[in-house]
Parts: sequence; C-alpha cells; structure tokens
Amino acid sequence: QSALTQPASVSGSPGQSITISCTGTSSDVGGYNYVSWYRQHPGKAPKLMIYDVSKRPSGVSNRFSGSKSGNTASLTISGLQAEDEADYYCSSYTSSSTWVFGGGTKLTVL
Amino acid sequence: QVQLQESGPGLVKPSETLSLTCTVSGGSISGYYWSWIRQPPGKGLEWIGYIYYTGSTNYNPSLKSRVTISVDTSKNQFSLNLSSVTAADTAVYYCARLGTIWGQGTLVTVSS
Repeated sequence: QSALTQPASVSGSPGQSITISCTGTSSDVGGYNYVSWYRQHPGKAPKLMIYDVSKRPSGVSNRFSGSKSGNTASLTISGLQAEDEADYYCSSYTSSSTWVFGGGTKLTVL
Repeated sequence: QVQLQESGPGLVKPSETLSLTCTVSGGSISGYYWSWIRQPPGKGLEWIGYIYYTGSTNYNPSLKSRVTISVDTSKNQFSLNLSSVTAADTAVYYCARLGTIWGQGTLVTVSS
C-alpha cells in the first residue's frame, strides 16, 4: 500500500487559516469515510484531532475541521496559534482492511 | 481514563526478533481494536497492524511476513513480535487503541 500524499510543509501567521491536503485513491480516502488527522509535537506521541473525516474528539478545539472531496481529504486550522506548530498526519482505512498514513506535513506558525 | 504503556528491550541485535508489550490500564481491552505504529527517527508514521480483542489480526502488507500481534485479555495486554530485524526497523514504536488513544512510545534500536 502506498502512503497518502501530503504537502511537506505549510505555514501561516497567527490568526490566519491554513489547509493541509491528503490525497489517496478510491481504495482508501475516496472509498471510505474513515479519515483521521493527528498532530504531533516534537518528541511526543501523536494526538487525534479529527476522525471519520470531520468529527472532533472531545476536548479538541473547534478551530480544527476536516472535510473530504473525492480522493482528497483536508484539515483546516482557523485562528492559527503558536501551539499549532507541529507535524500533522492523515490516515485512512483501506480496501484491504488495513490503515495507511500520509507522509506528514510540517506546519510553521510565522 | 484509559492509558497505554509500551514495554520491552530498547536494543535488539540484527536478525533477532523485536518483542514489545502494551499494557492497557483504566479500561478493558475487550471490545476494541488495538494497533501498533512505528516512526523511524526523523521520519513519518507507519502503521504496522491491528488486533481485535478476539484475536483477529490484519497487518501492513510490507511487514506481514515478519509481524505477529497477539492479545492476552486476562492481562489486559497485547504484544508485537517483529522477526529478522535490520537497522531499518529502528524506530519509536507506539501502541494505540486503534487511532484514538496512544502510548508514549518506546525507542527500539537495532544494532549489534
């Protein structure tokens, strides 16, 4: 299985909004509403930010939102804050009943 | 709340088997899927496989020939065995309740 495609890096200023894309195929992202997004700060375990494409776990800020169109899922962070600077990963369920991650995106808050 | 803790050797010799255990506390292992994920130093996440509490499993095709995941419901633990390791298997290994709750991770280095 091939990794999902994410941009290597994105950046934004405090208060702005950014969007990170996650592109797969009809056998993963496009075929199921089981896309998740994780935030990982250096040296820390990943934290679930979005699941099932657009659902937020309890305690996650409503500044984080997810969506999907065709084979591409997106994570939008509004009102950027310094604490949002981190690596972000998407993941998707696949037609082989496995899971696959994206390569990760480094978010820099300018 | 549910917490996960990985345990096992931090150093494994090439060609040997890497063995890790994940202990689940604050909740039952029953009723859920449990995963292993790894992250080589400076690189991205790689899904290794998952096990249902009943024992059914599914693995990453690229690792399938070397991976075994098992569960011990009586101990509220699940385990990872990765055979014939090489330096490329050096990584932080995470256990997780599917993708929702993660352990802190444990670094395993493959070196003689």
